[in-house]
Amino acid sequence: IAGITQAPTSQILAAGRRMTLRCTQDMRHNAMYWYRQDLGLGLRLIHYSNTAGTTGKGEVPDGYSVSRANTDDFPLTLASAVPSQTSVYFCASSEGEAGGYNEQFFGPGTRLTVL
Amino acid sequence: GQNIDQPTEMTATEGAIVQINCTYQTSGFNGLFWYQQHAGEAPTFLSYNVLDGLEEKGRFSSFLSRSKGYSYLLLKELQMKDSASYLCAVRDSNYQLIWGAGTKLIIKP
Repeated sequence: IAGITQAPTSQILAAGRRMTLRCTQDMRHNAMYWYRQDLGLGLRLIHYSNTAGTTGKGEVPDGYSVSRANTDDFPLTLASAVPSQTSVYFCASSEGEAGGYNEQFFGPGTRLTVL
Repeated sequence: GQNIDQPTEMTATEGAIVQINCTYQTSGFNGLFWYQQHAGEAPTFLSYNVLDGLEEKGRFSSFLSRSKGYSYLLLKELQMKDSASYLCAVRDSNYQLIWGAGTKLIIKP
């Protein structure tokens, strides 16, 4: 693989169900991010990680959790999905620390619909 | 509050020049990014400005005025493949990226 991959590509989920969105990068970047993108709004940061073993909250963290067990993987979990979590989710990574001047590389996105 | 303003949509003709504006009000400023996003795809990096002035990169240029809280992206010799959304994002004083909603650029032949 090259770059960032996300799985699944799309998912329809019943409200109340648990869901994990997967993200893997092979660029050995320290920083990783999860965003949601909704029509008419800018990308909003959910959670981020500066390095394996550390995570931080972004602008809209409620209802989401993340873990960073190693450099490559950064899964996002919705413990109990609600319809307002219907969105397109992008994972991204960058060199250096989160929030640095380095460009972010984005995965292809996961389109999630919660009914 | 923090705010990034961009026009929602613009239309331009193939071969022409278009300027996409971005104004921002943020808690501090530590750089401004432009990204391109084709429909249904991921954003990709175009430019980064931290000092005032114009940065040129091929057909694309990006300008920044920190005193005015203003940036623009200039696209020359437009091609049909330039039809996309263009996202402006500002690093605030906490080094968080604040993203605009994006400008959808439609190129007509």
